[in-house]
Amino acid sequence: GAVVSQHPSWVICKSGTSVKIECRSLDFQATTMFWYRQFPKQSLMLMATSNEGSKATYEQGVEKDKFLINHASLTLSTLTVTSAHPEDSSFYICSAETGGGHQETQYFGPGTRLLVL
Amino acid sequence: AQSVSQHNHHVILSEAASLELGCNYSYGGTVNLFWYVQYPGQHLQLLLKYFSGDPLVKGIKGFEAEFIKSKFSFNLRKPSVQWSDTAEYFCAVNPISNTGKLIFGQGTTLQVKP
Repeated sequence: GAVVSQHPSWVICKSGTSVKIECRSLDFQATTMFWYRQFPKQSLMLMATSNEGSKATYEQGVEKDKFLINHASLTLSTLTVTSAHPEDSSFYICSAETGGGHQETQYFGPGTRLLVL
Repeated sequence: AQSVSQHNHHVILSEAASLELGCNYSYGGTVNLFWYVQYPGQHLQLLLKYFSGDPLVKGIKGFEAEFIKSKFSFNLRKPSVQWSDTAEYFCAVNPISNTGKLIFGQGTTLQVKP
């Protein structure tokens, strides 16, 4: 149980284009999902918290107009990198949260590697 | 600021050796604690978690961790490692007042020599 998928697993795009990444919880519903970036040999950096039916909450320093998040259903959150530039190249990982009552657990997707040329 | 520190960045062990990876956090309130593992080329997987109760928690694949509140620590242990344990290990803390957000440590790369 608690499987999270991401699509695509990798994407190469030209500078200036937009890229959409999907995150799905396959066998459970998730009111809350999270989006992270992971740089090589580094830990995960939280970008934003995605809440079903409401606006995402972005971490300090993350441009909300550049990284658009939509959480339209209890099993799907999308991250759109708008007008991507080479510095946006990274490994993007999502997680979906289960549980409640201050006993939440995050389960992670396999990640999406983005290369912007 | 809240932070999580993993003291060992790179650990090299021989098979059958015992393992202990350190994790300390800075937060004075109630926390939930997690260890995740990332095998080469794979996604993060939950090894174990602590919410409350017995401070010694057992996870998958023979791993365990002990929460010592007075030391703000949650060290990961395994009595005898295997080559297949070669991976990146991340400690993560959820300060209860922080609404589900996880704060990750820097990660520890474990290399087990056959």
